[in-house]
Amino acid sequence: EAQLLESGGGLVQPGGSLRLSCAGTGFTFSRNAMTWVRQAPGKGLEWVSSLSGSAGNTYYEDSVKGRFTVSRDISKNTVFLQMSSLRADDTAMYFCAKHRGVTSDEAIDSWGQGTLVTVSS
Amino acid sequence: DIQMTQSPSTLSASVGDRVIITCRANQSFSRWLAWYQQKPGKAPKLLMYKASSLESGVPSRFSGSASGTEFTLTISSLQPDDFATYYCLQYNSYCLTFGGGTKVEIK
Repeated sequence: EAQLLESGGGLVQPGGSLRLSCAGTGFTFSRNAMTWVRQAPGKGLEWVSSLSGSAGNTYYEDSVKGRFTVSRDISKNTVFLQMSSLRADDTAMYFCAKHRGVTSDEAIDSWGQGTLVTVSS
Repeated sequence: DIQMTQSPSTLSASVGDRVIITCRANQSFSRWLAWYQQKPGKAPKLLMYKASSLESGVPSRFSGSASGTEFTLTISSLQPDDFATYYCLQYNSYCLTFGGGTKVEIK
């Protein structure tokens, strides 16, 4: 059974940076696409970024393009989300999620418990 | 980009009720749609994929269907454990889109 564990969240000032990590067990990152989803307090789910399992192609939601970068270390079965130029509206719980297949056109079937990012002065 | 409009945003129902939640897309696409259940403070849980395929371990009272740009999640007989928020997710394109969510409350 796949398990995901996020880390790296915390309090950061506007304009600051943060790097989230997601360690996976029970599956191989190169065979599954990975996605970051966020949820602002009391709000719905929002797709942030995806990374395909094979070629490692990356995709971003418009509001984070140029500020966030998704990457992975296959040897450590870990995916990262480097966030910079953070704004107050980036405040959210960030979930790491695994797709059933190698590309993101397969359903998300596993989720981590999330890591909270708070952007505030 | 594909936009998903989910309705209703809130639904009050009683145990045993039949519940229907709808997601409507702004353009037609294949059946690459999933439904998730989320409880407070928890991660979402996959219920349905490919619009009408039941995820392993999910009770059979959950079902999904698709007609054109409209997708529905039906709970045939609401159980106490089903009070939660439900989201649809289209994964037809590389830019994924969630519906706004439906909170199912106790009537």
